[in-house]
Amino acid sequence: GENVEQHPSTLSVQEGDSAVIKCTYSDSASNYFPWYKQELGKRPQLIIDIRSNVGEKKDQRIAVTLNKTAKHFSLHITETQPEDSAVYFCAALVLYNFNKFYFGSGTKLNVKP
Amino acid sequence: EAQVTQNPRYLITVTGKKLTVTCSQNMNHEYMSWYRQDPGLGLRQIYYSMNVEVTDKGDVPEGYKVSRKEKRNFPLILESPSPNQTSLYFCASLGGPYNEQFFGPGTRLTVL
Repeated sequence: GENVEQHPSTLSVQEGDSAVIKCTYSDSASNYFPWYKQELGKRPQLIIDIRSNVGEKKDQRIAVTLNKTAKHFSLHITETQPEDSAVYFCAALVLYNFNKFYFGSGTKLNVKP
Repeated sequence: EAQVTQNPRYLITVTGKKLTVTCSQNMNHEYMSWYRQDPGLGLRQIYYSMNVEVTDKGDVPEGYKVSRKEKRNFPLILESPSPNQTSLYFCASLGGPYNEQFFGPGTRLTVL
């Protein structure tokens, strides 16, 4: 099955700096890569996703890049703000053949004011 | 309001006492799933369901059962809970035009 690895496990940045979280996956059939944000005590929520036919996707301060050849994808947050502090999870699966969701182990991002 | 609900939100029980965590969604999604979340391990899928009467094992199904008799409900059953099933559990449904996965609020289970 798929194996998703996520790094780093914790990340501390100064407000206004950029943050990058990286994930690798093992199954070349995976074609959908969502990112979730989980604030303390709350449920995970989708913040951005990317499909395998696209190399990059941006949504305001958040962007995701995908390198299919190397089987890795990354979350980029620019101009970080204290409210970006949360745990971020990446995931991989085969879309349109929904079966198993494979999540990374999470990155705890701390944005210092 | 589109949502996934779970009950109970908190549960403390003892080893061996059967329990059920309910999950319901009002978005008419076909795909539903159960996850457990443990520190350092992220979210691990327990069971998922592609549609009514169709369920399959995720990565950590041992000790759990599910059923999908109707589209909106997907209960998680622990026939004989053990302390290693102490965890935070999330139900989720996936669907809609953007294939977004929506999570329930979570159920914190402690098995003594």
